[in-house]
Amino acid sequence: SQELEQSPQSLIVQEGKNLTINCTSSKTLYGLYWYKQKYGEGLIFLMMLQKGGEEKSHEKITAKLDEKKQQSSLHITASQPSHAGIYLCGADNTGNQFYFGTGTSLTVIP
Amino acid sequence: DAGVIQSPRHEVTEMGQEVTLRCKPISGHNSLFWYRQTMMRGLELLIYFNNNVPIDDSGMPEDRFSAKMPNASFSTLKIQPSEPRDSAVYFCASSLPQGVNTIYFGEGSWLTVV
Repeated sequence: SQELEQSPQSLIVQEGKNLTINCTSSKTLYGLYWYKQKYGEGLIFLMMLQKGGEEKSHEKITAKLDEKKQQSSLHITASQPSHAGIYLCGADNTGNQFYFGTGTSLTVIP
Repeated sequence: DAGVIQSPRHEVTEMGQEVTLRCKPISGHNSLFWYRQTMMRGLELLIYFNNNVPIDDSGMPEDRFSAKMPNASFSTLKIQPSEPRDSAVYFCASSLPQGVNTIYFGEGSWLTVV
């Protein structure tokens, strides 16, 4: 089965600081997805990466997929309290199955 | 366009009762997934269907859990009898056929078993 490890498990940062969340797979990824979940709410799709070396940005959030397609990083620039929540990476390993990472809880202190 | 629709959004039930969660996938999607989210275990894949056929149910925790997909537009996840440790958020998701790798999630069903 697919295993996705996220690090760190939790993160507390001061507003305005930059941060990075990592997602590492035990297998080559067919597609890598990033989601955000606010506490008590559903999943919000952030972005999807497919190609090795691909990088995508949305507002102050940038995600990269490494060349070997086994690791992805999510970088938030100048964090704000609205960025707080749980960040989850998800992966499609064959086109048929989709697994989630262990999750990273982000707290942004005003 | 309507996304993946789950019902109920919230349910509180007593231990021992039967619980049925429902999911309507996006029209045209032929894969459907059920996930469970808990604080202890995060998001776990319970079962997924391809063309209404269960492909992998290895994530189903025990025999009290069962899932069906009688047609392309409807699936159920049933827990009978329910236990307090089943309290969790249950997500349903659907996706297009292999090679078109976009998956869409429902908003989840919040289950509390007391």
